[in-house]
Amino acid sequence: NAGVTQTPKFQVLKTGQSMTLQCAQDMNHEYMSWYRQDPGMGLRLIHYSVGAGITDQGEVPNGYNVSRSTTEDFPLRLLSAAPSQTSVYFCASSHKYRVTYEQYFGPGTRLTVT
Amino acid sequence: KNEVEQSPQNLTAQEGEFITINCSYSVGISALHWLQQHPGGGIVSLFMLSSGKKKHGRLIATINIQEKHSSLHITASHPRDSAVYICAVTGGSQGNLIFGKGTKLSVKP
Repeated sequence: NAGVTQTPKFQVLKTGQSMTLQCAQDMNHEYMSWYRQDPGMGLRLIHYSVGAGITDQGEVPNGYNVSRSTTEDFPLRLLSAAPSQTSVYFCASSHKYRVTYEQYFGPGTRLTVT
Repeated sequence: KNEVEQSPQNLTAQEGEFITINCSYSVGISALHWLQQHPGGGIVSLFMLSSGKKKHGRLIATINIQEKHSSLHITASHPRDSAVYICAVTGGSQGNLIFGKGTKLSVKP
């Protein structure tokens, strides 16, 4: 199994550009989530999904969209990038939420918005 | 007040020392996770526990549900243990993960 994969690893955007961060898992996990990690702060939840076709907002959803058309894929879209979205983004998955299941993280995407 | 507090924020130890990292939380939880983030950035799950104690090699994790506190211990520390250790809880109304800010550990040879 590849586990959780993320692409790209690094990305530089100009303010106002759009892009999609890709996340895929091959473990048939129901729960997938996106986090951002900023210096001096814990990881913060952006959006999450408990299954195909079901998504919900986390703590910091503004400026981001998600969709979950398949169990495997959970892309994160930035519609109009802003410097405040400069961060490291992690995708994670687990069997279920609200239950004691191990979390699996992708390698992260380092995004810089100029 | 953060829902998950870790201490210390930074920790420097000599190789071989016994290390303790603490985590306190203020919400009801179904599980507590200890994660490790190496300088390269990747995050791996070390432990997930809802009661008692778990051991894996030189790492031991304990949790006291009544006191809402958990500790991560590293015995016979080694420079390769240098990393950021993150405490997270599965809790809140949605059952999502809530993270502490992490403890940066540096083990000197």
